[in-house]
Amino acid sequence: KAGVTQTPRYLIKTRGQQVTLSCSPISGHRSVSWYQQTPGQGLQFLFEYFSETQRNKGNFPGRFSGRQFSNSRSEMNVSTLELGDSALYLCASSPQTGGYEQYFGPGTRLTVT
Amino acid sequence: DQQVKQNSPSLSVQEGRISILNCDYTNSMFDYFLWYKKYPAEGPTFLISISSIKDKNEDGRFTVFLNKSAKHLSLHIVPSQPGDSAVYFCAASVPGSSNTGKLIFGQGTTLQVKP
Repeated sequence: KAGVTQTPRYLIKTRGQQVTLSCSPISGHRSVSWYQQTPGQGLQFLFEYFSETQRNKGNFPGRFSGRQFSNSRSEMNVSTLELGDSALYLCASSPQTGGYEQYFGPGTRLTVT
Repeated sequence: DQQVKQNSPSLSVQEGRISILNCDYTNSMFDYFLWYKKYPAEGPTFLISISSIKDKNEDGRFTVFLNKSAKHLSLHIVPSQPGDSAVYFCAASVPGSSNTGKLIFGQGTTLQVKP
């Protein structure tokens, strides 16, 4: 089976812009979680989607949003980018919601200048 | 507050010897624990997990031990190989619909296995 894929792998944006990141889960996996990784905060949970519904959300401002499509693919959007949003954004899939084992994609490296 | 702690930022061992990576947690509600390995420019790779009803789980060269009374888990790699050199993260989850899909990660330990 193909693993989790994320596009783009690298992105450079300017403060104030918005960005959309994409994630395709492992075939048959219906749950997608998103994480932000920074040197200072480590891996932090953003949100989880299952069956096109957001099931859980971490402690991030409303500028961070996401959605999931009927084929389980997911996107996350960050509006009004700030310098502190520079991070590695990781997507993970799991066969079902609440699934413990999550399988991660390679991540999207976002740099905000 | 950091609920999952990996107090050793780095560890260096000789090839063929045992690597022991440690993780402490504070939340007694955690019911499932996982270890991930991460190479640079890649996402974390799932290694092994353990439910809170067990105290040991083994998979090939990897064994995870859980001591609930001490709120401590450890990952043993025997024998260590140079390809094991990576950052290792422990993670934990809390049951319940309000915590679904959320793993709480430690800060990671960088393992270097010397040939």
